[in-house]
Amino acid sequence: GENVEQHPSTLSVQEGDSAVIKCTYSDSASNYFPWYKQELGKGPQLIIDIRSNVGEKKDQRIAVTLNKTAKHFSLHITETQPEDSAVYFCAANSYLPSGGSNYKLTFGKGTLLTVNP
Amino acid sequence: NAGVTQTPKFRVLKTGQSMTLLCAQDMNHEYMYWYRQDPGMGLRLIHYSVGEGTTAKGEVPDGYNVSRLKKQNFLLGLESAAPSQTSVYFCASSYFSLYNNEQFFGPGTRLTVL
Repeated sequence: GENVEQHPSTLSVQEGDSAVIKCTYSDSASNYFPWYKQELGKGPQLIIDIRSNVGEKKDQRIAVTLNKTAKHFSLHITETQPEDSAVYFCAANSYLPSGGSNYKLTFGKGTLLTVNP
Repeated sequence: NAGVTQTPKFRVLKTGQSMTLLCAQDMNHEYMYWYRQDPGMGLRLIHYSVGEGTTAKGEVPDGYNVSRLKKQNFLLGLESAAPSQTSVYFCASSYFSLYNNEQFFGPGTRLTVL
């Protein structure tokens, strides 16, 4: 099955700096790669996703890049702010045994990002 | 819309006790999922459902059962709780769509088994 590795497990940056979180995946059939942000005491929330037919996607201060050949994708946060402090999860899809287009997400183990004022 | 709700928010059980966690969604999603989150382990899929009346095993199904009798509800049961099931449990739901794959998560249930 799919295996998703995420690094680093913790990341501390100064406000205004950039933060980069990297993930690798194992299943070459994966074609959907979302990133989730989890604030303390809450459930994860989707912040950005990318499909295998594009190499980069940007939404204001966050961007995601995908290298299908190397099977890795990264989250980039620029001009970090204290409210960016949270746990970030990457994920990759893999198709379910039920067949068709049904799939599940395999998550990385998470990165605790701390933005220091 | 309330989105995805979970009850209860917190629960403490003794080893061997049983309980049911309830997940409800009001977005008419076909897919529903139960995950557990443990420190350093990320989110691991316990069971999932691709529609009303259907359920299937995920990565870590042992010790859990599920039911989806109504489209909007997905129940997770622990028949005989063990300390290894101490965790935070998240329910999620999503559309069945090639183009809209976002999973919406509930706020979680923190379960402690003594």
